Amino acid sequence: DQQVKQNSPSLSVQEGRISILNCDYTNSMFDYFLWYKKYPAEGPTFLISISSIKDKNEDGRFTVFLNKSAKHLSLHIVPSQPGDSAVYFCAAKGAGSYQLTFGKGTKLSVIP
Amino acid sequence: DTAVSQTPKYLVTQMGNDKSIKCEQNLGHDTMYWYKQDSKKFLKIMFSYNNKELIINETVPNRFSPKSPDKAHLNLHINSLELGDSAVYFCASSQAAGQEQYFGPGTRLTVL
Repeated sequence: DQQVKQNSPSLSVQEGRISILNCDYTNSMFDYFLWYKKYPAEGPTFLISISSIKDKNEDGRFTVFLNKSAKHLSLHIVPSQPGDSAVYFCAAKGAGSYQLTFGKGTKLSVIP
Repeated sequence: DTAVSQTPKYLVTQMGNDKSIKCEQNLGHDTMYWYKQDSKKFLKIMFSYNNKELIINETVPNRFSPKSPDKAHLNLHINSLELGDSAVYFCASSQAAGQEQYFGPGTRLTVL
């Protein structure tokens, strides 16, 4: 039973345009959400996070939006760069929990 | 300097063998984790230790045994390896349980 879903296995975007990666969750107890980026043959790298008390968090070119009523979050990358090409994982954590639940990942390709 | 390191990076072995994967973090973190990324690309938590104490122990075969000699190390020992154990295993650490996790580069285990 997937509690965190990334329904798009892949996404291609032109350099300079916006990349939007989506994530849906089913567990209403989740209150903290994270995005990780993973290059081939490397471990995931923490990118940005958001608490359920917010609906937006921004860090440079990366912005995460949270819609709690829809149980949906998205990661926006503007402008997209070729170095952003990687697999992006969405993860979620429940209040008082120690563990992260990961989605299956979306492979982003930014075309020069 | 590598923050979270794992050895070996690749491990090829025969069914029935016993093997260990080592993990070390130099970040001064209190909590360490082991994840398994299977062929379907899901990252699933296996174990977590906080200050050398086991805090997460998901449903994994008891052929898998984590060992934490100190806060900076969390090793994974696997007995009687099976074909289905083939996967990439990631070690991670966080400042405290439930906070952002920093991942190692992964160990690709292939059981023949």
